[in-house]
Amino acid sequence: EDKVVQSPLSLVVHEGDTVTLNCSYEVTNFRSLLWYKQEKKAPTFLFMLTSSGIEKKSGRLSSILDKKELFSILNITATQTGDSAVYLCAVVKQGAQKLVFGQGTRLTINP
Amino acid sequence: DAGITQSPRHKVTETGTPVTLRCHQTENHRYMYWYRQDPGHGLRLIHYSYGVKDTDKGEVSDGYSVSRSKTEDFLLTLESATSSQTSVYFCAISEFQETQYFGPGTRLLVL
Repeated sequence: EDKVVQSPLSLVVHEGDTVTLNCSYEVTNFRSLLWYKQEKKAPTFLFMLTSSGIEKKSGRLSSILDKKELFSILNITATQTGDSAVYLCAVVKQGAQKLVFGQGTRLTINP
Repeated sequence: DAGITQSPRHKVTETGTPVTLRCHQTENHRYMYWYRQDPGHGLRLIHYSYGVKDTDKGEVSDGYSVSRSKTEDFLLTLESATSSQTSVYFCAISEFQETQYFGPGTRLLVL
């Protein structure tokens, strides 16, 4: 059975800290991994990772995929209160359209 | 933002009544999806569509049906609503094997 596991499930840090969110997966015929940010509304797309070892960056956020060890990390540096959200990881399989989601990591940034 | 709207945005209904949720897109994407999101379960796929009149089941399809008579509209019907179907429902769209973009969500309460 396909599985995507995120850790930690919840994380509370102070503004300015750096955080690392983890996503591990066990799926057959992996194609790509996606990260989403969800505040009190719909998930918004952050990154799609297809190739191993290539970092994707957007401002203070970055992500990398390790296809050998079957995991991805999402880094957020110099966190701000606006980074408080649930971060979702999802995997796309080759030839399929369904996303397999992890449970999400709830990140809280305290001022 | 991707052109996706959902209606209604909020609904309260009684057990046993039929309910239809609508998803409308202006992006002309081939694939459309319905998810539900519940605490502790993350996002779970209900049904998806890969073209007009072409649909398939997701992991939690019992009690739900869908229809897609036009590219831009994807309807989700709860034939006889139950309290266990109280949830937040998200529609999403994508092209083949590409990122899914989510609508604003519909909050449904079944009393």
